[in-house]
Amino acid sequence: GAVVSQHPSWVICKSGTSVKIECRSLDFQATTMFWYRQFPKQSLMLMATSNEGSKATYEQGVEKDKFLINHASLTLSTLTVTSAHPEDSSFYICSASINRQGGGSYNSPLHFGNGTRLTVT
Amino acid sequence: SQQGEEDPQALSIQEGENATMNCSYKTSINNLQWYRQNSGRGLVHLILIRSNEREKHSGRLRVTLDTSKKSSSLLITASRAADTASYFCATVPNDYKLSFGAGTTVTVRA
Repeated sequence: GAVVSQHPSWVICKSGTSVKIECRSLDFQATTMFWYRQFPKQSLMLMATSNEGSKATYEQGVEKDKFLINHASLTLSTLTVTSAHPEDSSFYICSASINRQGGGSYNSPLHFGNGTRLTVT
Repeated sequence: SQQGEEDPQALSIQEGENATMNCSYKTSINNLQWYRQNSGRGLVHLILIRSNEREKHSGRLRVTLDTSKKSSSLLITASRAADTASYFCATVPNDYKLSFGAGTTVTVRA
């Protein structure tokens, strides 16, 4: 159980275009979802926390107008990279938590999607 | 901000050997979690240890936690080629924001 599906797994887009990445919880309701960015051989950097029905909370340094997050239902969160540039090329990973508490997975594990490799040319 | 730091950054072992990696963190925590990431994939949760626990086992995995030293270790016994992956510790400090370390890349040679 607790499967998170992330789509697409990879995408190549031209500079200036927008890209939408979907994150779905398939067999549970995710009240909280998290979006991470990962550079090669580095750790995951939390970009934002999205709570169903409310605005996302962005981490310091993350441009909310550039990385639009929508969590319109208990099973779907989307991340849209607007006006993408080559420096936005990265591996984006979503995760979901059933637990309502805070921004972490307090006493329960996070369930991750398989990530999206974004390449902006 | 990143709280956990894994050590070593990379580890290469022979199949059948044990692999040990450590994680140090800075602030008080509610729990500490270990995850595995295969190349180009998402993370898979391995084990969660609460702040009032000292040791936990799951199959070939053994995790210890020393809150006085703010450190944890992950031991993989009798390693297999399929254990080749990056391993991350993640801490849940009192503000509940999960924070990942930089990871240890483990290569198991056949």
